[in-house]
Amino acid sequence: GENVEQHPSTLSVQEGDSAVIKCTYSDSASNYFPWYKQELGKRPQLIIDIRSNVGEKKDQRIAVTLNKTAKHFSLHITETQPEDSAVYFCAASKGDYKLSFGAGTTVTVRA
Amino acid sequence: DGGITQSPKYLFRKEGQNVTLSCEQNLNHDAMYWYRQDPGQGLRLIYYSQIVNDFQKGDIAEGYSVSREKKESFPLTVTSAQKNPTAFYLCASSIVSGMETQYFGPGTRLLVL
Repeated sequence: GENVEQHPSTLSVQEGDSAVIKCTYSDSASNYFPWYKQELGKRPQLIIDIRSNVGEKKDQRIAVTLNKTAKHFSLHITETQPEDSAVYFCAASKGDYKLSFGAGTTVTVRA
Repeated sequence: DGGITQSPKYLFRKEGQNVTLSCEQNLNHDAMYWYRQDPGQGLRLIYYSQIVNDFQKGDIAEGYSVSREKKESFPLTVTSAQKNPTAFYLCASSIVSGMETQYFGPGTRLLVL
C-alpha cells in the first residue's frame, strides 16, 4: 500500500518567517495530495490540495509544490503568524477511497 | 467542516464492553469514513463506505464493526476484541471517494476505565 513519510515532525519558526514541510510517497499511481491543519483538540481541516496534473498551487500565504518524478510534495507557509501554530498532515490518494496520511508536523510560531 | 456531527465527545469503555460511536452528516455525501488517531501518528483508516448498505475494511479494521443503513449515518462499534481502544476517533465524509475533499467531524475521544 501507499506509504507517506512526513518531515520534520516538529518545526519552530519565528513569526514572519517561512515554514516548509515535506512529504514523500511511495506509490507512483497517487494523484491527489491534500494538506490538513489540526488545531489542538479540533478536527482536521483541509487547507490546500493539489492534483497530479499541476506542479504548484497557491492560496494567499500557503503554497504546495509537487514533484512527481521524485515523488514528493511540500507545503510552504510564508509570513507565519501565531494562528498558524497547529499540527499539519499531508496525505496521498490514488483516486480511490483511501487517503494515506503522514504522521504530522507540529508547527509552533514564536512571537 | 459543518454538517458532520459525532457523539459523544468523550466515551468511557469498561473491559469486555462494546461501545458505539455515532456519526451523522447532512451534506448529502455518498462516502463516509472512520479514522483512528493516536498521539504522534497520522490518521489510520478503520472502515469506509461508498454507498448505503455497503462498506469495506480499511487498514486497521480488526476489533471494529460498522453499519451503513442510511446515507446520513455511519456508526462505529468498538468491540471487546479491540484490546487497545484508547484513541481519538474521527468520522469523515466526501461527495465521492477518492479525489474529493474529506470533511471531518469533531471527533470522539474513547478512554478505557
